[in-house]
Amino acid sequence: AQSVTQLGSHVSVSEGALVLLRCNYSSSVPPYLFWYVQYPNQGLQLLLKYTTGATLVKGINGFEAEFKKSETSFHLTKPSAHMSDAAEYFCAVSANFGNEKLTFGTGTRLTIIP
Amino acid sequence: KAGVTQTPRYLIKTRGQQVTLSCSPISGHRSVSWYQQTPGQGLQFLFEYFSETQRNKGNFPGRFSGRQFSNSRSEMNVSTLELGDSALYLCASSYNPGHKDYNEQFFGPGTRLTVL
Repeated sequence: AQSVTQLGSHVSVSEGALVLLRCNYSSSVPPYLFWYVQYPNQGLQLLLKYTTGATLVKGINGFEAEFKKSETSFHLTKPSAHMSDAAEYFCAVSANFGNEKLTFGTGTRLTIIP
Repeated sequence: KAGVTQTPRYLIKTRGQQVTLSCSPISGHRSVSWYQQTPGQGLQFLFEYFSETQRNKGNFPGRFSGRQFSNSRSEMNVSTLELGDSALYLCASSYNPGHKDYNEQFFGPGTRLTVL
């Protein structure tokens, strides 16, 4: 079975500061890991994904995440926060390719302080 | 290419009624998944359909059902609605040829169901 834990349901950062959203996973098989963003009254948009290969993954809007197997982590970072980054962020895990079931974390609401 | 569309966007029903939600995937996508999003339980997987067959199922009661048509459009049905069924229901589609690397799931805007 797969699961993810997102540390911090709310994170506030100043505009221009580093964004760090934490995600730890548990998986009995090599996982596929994802970060999604949800803006108010909208669906989910994929920010980035890790399947195989390079452990540092770059996504859209300047976000990146690093897969660390030894720490079972997949934290999301952005060097400089922008007001438009205010949203809810979800970490998710899938068991393997061809399995469309995503198991999501509880989400982290990111607030940007002007 | 048009994105995933869901209809209706908003629904208000009363307890005991049933409801049908519709999802049209991106053209060419064959897999459709459904998720329920609530403040208390977060995002939970309901089921996934591929080529008109249910391939994966989450831990929801039998009141929740779905189907997929030959054009890949999907519907989900909830019978005997309960107050706790109030949620945002999200649909996601992917290409999923079955033998390649992971295919991204594209999400629709959701249907917000309110049960009174």
